[in-house]
Amino acid sequence: EPEVTQTPSHQVTQMGQEVILRCVPISNHLYFYWYRQILGQKVEFLVSFYNNEISEKSEIFDDQFSVERPDGSNFTLKIRSTKLEDSAMYFCASSAAAGNTIYFGEGSWLTVV
Amino acid sequence: AQSVTQLDSQVPVFEEAPVELRCNYSSSVSVYLFWYVQYPNQGLQLLLKYLSGSTLVKGINGFEAEFNKSQTSFHLRKPSVHISDTAEYFCAVSEPRGQNFVFGPGTRLSVLP
Repeated sequence: EPEVTQTPSHQVTQMGQEVILRCVPISNHLYFYWYRQILGQKVEFLVSFYNNEISEKSEIFDDQFSVERPDGSNFTLKIRSTKLEDSAMYFCASSAAAGNTIYFGEGSWLTVV
Repeated sequence: AQSVTQLDSQVPVFEEAPVELRCNYSSSVSVYLFWYVQYPNQGLQLLLKYLSGSTLVKGINGFEAEFNKSQTSFHLRKPSVHISDTAEYFCAVSEPRGQNFVFGPGTRLSVLP
């Protein structure tokens, strides 16, 4: 069964460093998402991406964050200068149609020290 | 704007007992509704979804949920739980053609022997 894959599964980085989280969405999907889950808290929407541009973003997704689809398969989330409060599990997701079922990857656990 | 409420943050239940996890939503438009499960140290897995049609939907692992438009609810039920059902359960809502899933805060189901 097709699935969303994410790398790395776990990354530890120093505060102020740049981090890139990578995702390979399901191949025929057109909508891509990043969500995050701070330990013990709810899953929060960060951004959605369609047709090579951001279609919606939350207030969490500030200027420190950016997304890119550098080629036909990858979808990346970059955090320019990490802060301690960026420590969280970051989930990539994709869907075939807007509003329809989204399928999540296993997550990338980011620890900022 | 949409919102999702899961009134029970934790639900302990004995093995083979029935369980109901409550979910209420608010939205000014029609919605799609979802339940996702997160097993310890894993990603989010789709349990079931309501898009249209029959208000009673069946999902994986013996779970089912009923969409009640008048009560704006989508409660999740299982007639007999197993130890392996211990996990965090998230209710989510989206709008048709919307690009943002809104998740509830989650309910931690603990199945006791």
